[in-house]
Amino acid sequence: GAGVSQSPRYKVAKRGQDVALRCDPISGHVSLFWYQQALGQGPEFLTYFQNEAQLDKSGLPSDRFFAERPEGSVSTLKIQRTQQEDSAVYLCASSARMNTEAFFGQGTRLTVV
Amino acid sequence: QQQVKQSPQSLIVQKGGISIINCAYENTAFDYFPWYQQFPGKGPALLIAIRPDVSEKKEGRFTISFNKSAKQFSLHIMDSQPGDSATYFCAASMRGGSNYKLTFGKGTLLTVNP
Repeated sequence: GAGVSQSPRYKVAKRGQDVALRCDPISGHVSLFWYQQALGQGPEFLTYFQNEAQLDKSGLPSDRFFAERPEGSVSTLKIQRTQQEDSAVYLCASSARMNTEAFFGQGTRLTVV
Repeated sequence: QQQVKQSPQSLIVQKGGISIINCAYENTAFDYFPWYQQFPGKGPALLIAIRPDVSEKKEGRFTISFNKSAKQFSLHIMDSQPGDSATYFCAASMRGGSNYKLTFGKGTLLTVNP
């Protein structure tokens, strides 16, 4: 595809519900990142994959957050038992290889009610 | 601990004027300083970036000034246009390391009046 694609664009979840957010990176991009952007704030790093390997998950806020990239392309960010403080835009970014420009998707806006 | 501090929070400029946004960082291991532009409903897009071995980088109307000793860097937008109205984020990372994760400032909402 032409860019990083994220789905759904919007998700409303009831508190306690599990959600799964999808990221389709640019074809052939090795590196993939997830960021969380709260309203009126800058994005904050969640986790990083190089191919299928999750090399850094230091930014995941709790063990309710889980990310995977089983075949080194599409990635899924899963949030279990969602809480109101999880409401944010979740951004995915990919880059051709480590330490090259990262391209961001449009994000998934998650609202927990 | 906020590692990248950005100011001002918002900025209003007249068309043709100069927009200036400032950032300060704390971690001296940072060695890559990009600026991102974000329009509503879109993801951030890389605008311009600098490494600490140069004090200034210019691309078209956009210039980054970098002061290593003060641990500060700024974005200057010359001849600001209404189409420049967006949120701007400074960021920093340690590209020389084994990871490339960006630490962002809180953003500056720029409004350019026609």
